[in-house]
Amino acid sequence: KAGVTQTPRYLIKTRGQQVTLSCSPISGHRSVSWYQQTPGQGLQFLFEYFSETQRNKGNFPGRFSGRQFSNSRSEMNVSTLELGDSALYLCASSLSTGKETQYFGPGTRLLVL
Amino acid sequence: DQQVKQNSPSLSVQEGRISILNCDYTNSMFDYFLWYKKYPAEGPTFLISISSIKDKNEDGRFTVFLNKSAKHLSLHIVPSQPGDSAVYFCAASALVTGNTGKLIFGQGTTLQVKP
Repeated sequence: KAGVTQTPRYLIKTRGQQVTLSCSPISGHRSVSWYQQTPGQGLQFLFEYFSETQRNKGNFPGRFSGRQFSNSRSEMNVSTLELGDSALYLCASSLSTGKETQYFGPGTRLLVL
Repeated sequence: DQQVKQNSPSLSVQEGRISILNCDYTNSMFDYFLWYKKYPAEGPTFLISISSIKDKNEDGRFTVFLNKSAKHLSLHIVPSQPGDSAVYFCAASALVTGNTGKLIFGQGTTLQVKP
């Protein structure tokens, strides 16, 4: 069974631009969560989607948004990019929501110049 | 407020010996705990988990121990192998309303296993 896939793997943007990252969960998984990893803050939860609905949201500004499609694929969008948005963005999928093990993709490395 | 803490940034052990990675948490609502391993430029790989109704879970070379009264969990790797060298994260979740799918991660411990 294929794992979680994320595209693109690497991205370079400039301040003020916006970016969209994509995540395809493991087949059969209906929940997708997004995390941001930075050297200073570690791994931080962004949001979780289940059945096309946002179920939970972390402590990030409204510039960070996401959505989930009927096939469980998910996208996250960051508008008006700031230098501090440079990070590894990780997507994780699980069978359902709640007490389910999350399996991570390889991540998208975003560099904002 | 760091709810999940891994106080040792790094650990070095000899091949064949035991590696013990520690994790402390402050939120008594946490009821599910996981350990992930991460190599550079890759996503975290799930290793093992434990529910708060247990105090031990074993999977091959990996054993996780949970001490709820001390709010402490540990991961034991026996025997350690050079391929185990990676960053290890502990994570916790609390199955309460509005908290679904949210894992809180520690800062990670870099394990180096020397041949």
